[in-house]
Amino acid sequence: GAVVSQHPSWVICKSGTSVKIECRSLDFQATTMFWYRQFPKQSLMLMATSNEGSKATYEQGVEKDKFLINHASLTLSTLTVTSAHPEDSSFYICSARVKRAPADTQYFGPGTRLTVL
Amino acid sequence: AQKITQTQPGMFVQEKEAVTLDCTYDTSDPSYGLFWYKQPSSGEMIFLIYQGSYDQQNATEGRYSLNFQKARKSANLVISASQLGDSAMYFCAMRRLMFSGGYNKLIFGAGTRLAVHP
Repeated sequence: GAVVSQHPSWVICKSGTSVKIECRSLDFQATTMFWYRQFPKQSLMLMATSNEGSKATYEQGVEKDKFLINHASLTLSTLTVTSAHPEDSSFYICSARVKRAPADTQYFGPGTRLTVL
Repeated sequence: AQKITQTQPGMFVQEKEAVTLDCTYDTSDPSYGLFWYKQPSSGEMIFLIYQGSYDQQNATEGRYSLNFQKARKSANLVISASQLGDSAMYFCAMRRLMFSGGYNKLIFGAGTRLAVHP
């Protein structure tokens, strides 16, 4: 398999602050990473596709100025939730495209649970 | 448009028995991949098994097998000899395969919650 890590695993912040979540590929280089959001008892919703060295591609309805994505290296992508509000509270999970896997399977990180007070 | 349907919100199975989780899909693309992921209560999405649309044989991976029926557009996951640790949410997903270097996004189903009873 392939290992993807995420940090932090959970974060609690005050409304109006910014929160940065890191997603790292530990044993492979990930030219493409993905950020998902998941509400309780629901499926994953793709927020954006992060490509190393270029701007992220956001899904329709996702505010790119609120969810800043930076893919500065082949092993690290970051998601910054700017001026977080309680409605941003959710489970955020990243994945990476693994080119050595069948059909470039995506492997996921353990997720980050964000709670905004 | 692509769509994944998982009609079973919840399933129960006795430990050591086999269980089938249903997944049907809709696509007009000739080339696609089907994936199953497991999400335990910890939240991590664990890749289980992959089936390509052109694969002649059903995929197997340990206790997991994929019952792929292309004409019916179904890709059911079969878990044999269920274990307590199999209790989790299971998601079926699909992605159009592009051989020109592009990469399409994964489309997920709503998921099925499996509970394994001792």
